[in-house]
Amino acid sequence: AQTVTQSQPEMSVQEAETVTLSCTYDTSESNYYLFWYKQPPSRQMILVIRQEAYKQQNATENRFSVNFQKAAKSFSLKISDSQLGDTAMYFCAFMKQNQGAQKLVFGQGTRLTINP
Amino acid sequence: NAGVTQTPKFRILKIGQSMTLQCTQDMNHNYMYWYRQDPGMGLKLIYYSVGAGITDKGEVPNGYNVSRSTTEDFPLRLELAAPSQTSVYFCASSDSAARSFGSGTRLTVV
Repeated sequence: AQTVTQSQPEMSVQEAETVTLSCTYDTSESNYYLFWYKQPPSRQMILVIRQEAYKQQNATENRFSVNFQKAAKSFSLKISDSQLGDTAMYFCAFMKQNQGAQKLVFGQGTRLTINP
Repeated sequence: NAGVTQTPKFRILKIGQSMTLQCTQDMNHNYMYWYRQDPGMGLKLIYYSVGAGITDKGEVPNGYNVSRSTTEDFPLRLELAAPSQTSVYFCASSDSAARSFGSGTRLTVV
């Protein structure tokens, strides 16, 4: 079974700083997807970024980028020029490719606070 | 499109009561899921469905039942509520291109 581990329960940075959230995972699969989801106090789950394991290039979405290290099974999220609206829980998630049901396995989450 | 709609948003149940959490999606997604999120934790899969008439257990199915009579609807049934089922419940749907989550149901069992 796949597992996803986020070792930082909480993080706090000042506005405009850069912050990196860590995620490691365990799998014997070769083909899979990795995701970062944001959950603000509204509880809505919002997709931040997605990475296909077969792609060597790290995914980026505006201020959000990942450092995907397949051999190390590491998938960290970097938020540049952090904003107050980035305050939220962040979840790393794993999904096997071509499994049909597209089931996500989530980490425990990191609570990120951006201070003014 | 409304996306994934869950009702109710909040509910308090007494131990032993039953209830159904409703979930409907208007995106014609084949896949639907129910997750629970305990305080300070990630989401855990309760049940999922790959299409109308087909359901299967996830990581934490005990105490729950589901049905999928149509593509749009995927209700979650709690038969005998227990305090351990106090949680926030999320419904989601997906296809090959996208995944959407509902806004969650906060359930408290007292």
